[in-house]
Amino acid sequence: GQNIDQPTEMTATEGAIVQINCTYQTSGFNGLFWYQQHAGEAPTFLSYNVLDGLEEKGRFSSFLSRSKGYSYLLLKELQMKDSASYLCAVRDSNYQLIWGAGTKLIIKP
Amino acid sequence: GAVVSQHPSRVICKSGTSVKIECRSLDFQATTMFWYRQFPKQSLMLMATSNEGSKATYEQGVEKDKFLINHASLTLSTLTVTSAHPEDSSFYICSARDVASGEADTQYFGPGTRLTVL
Repeated sequence: GQNIDQPTEMTATEGAIVQINCTYQTSGFNGLFWYQQHAGEAPTFLSYNVLDGLEEKGRFSSFLSRSKGYSYLLLKELQMKDSASYLCAVRDSNYQLIWGAGTKLIIKP
Repeated sequence: GAVVSQHPSRVICKSGTSVKIECRSLDFQATTMFWYRQFPKQSLMLMATSNEGSKATYEQGVEKDKFLINHASLTLSTLTVTSAHPEDSSFYICSARDVASGEADTQYFGPGTRLTVL
């Protein structure tokens, strides 16, 4: 079966750095996405990885290792507004998006 | 950037009535749109894939006669929840695939519609 695993909840301090991990087992791989979702709102696109390595975009970076079926989202200089759920999604061989359950990130002052 | 709108944002209806939700891509053409449902504290669940000019493809367990999808143009898809019941109360989110985004082929999400069935 297809499976995406990410921690249910994480807590971090304002100004700090946090890494949210995602491991996947899917039938084929055509890219991995990270989305941010604030409570009661739709997800917004953060990053896309299809090749191994690190993609940096401002305070957010995303890393992919295809051989390990592993990705992480790194958030630097955390702000209170970063409190949200972070969803990992993998596009499989049929170009379907397989969604993780999301990681709720709580930022404390 | 690519913008997707949904209407209405919130709807409350009586059990047994039908509700139509519109999803529009405002600044790009979307040959494919997706409809998701999200229950509280749960992940997105894909309901169906909507292709312009053809019948929608429904995920296993989703009743196509209950959730009618029409994708009449490259910028509009509609989801009609027919004979709604309280268990259909959920957050319905559409997304549109921007094929012009290249290999990323990113999906852009609408703001969602919160449906409450009394």
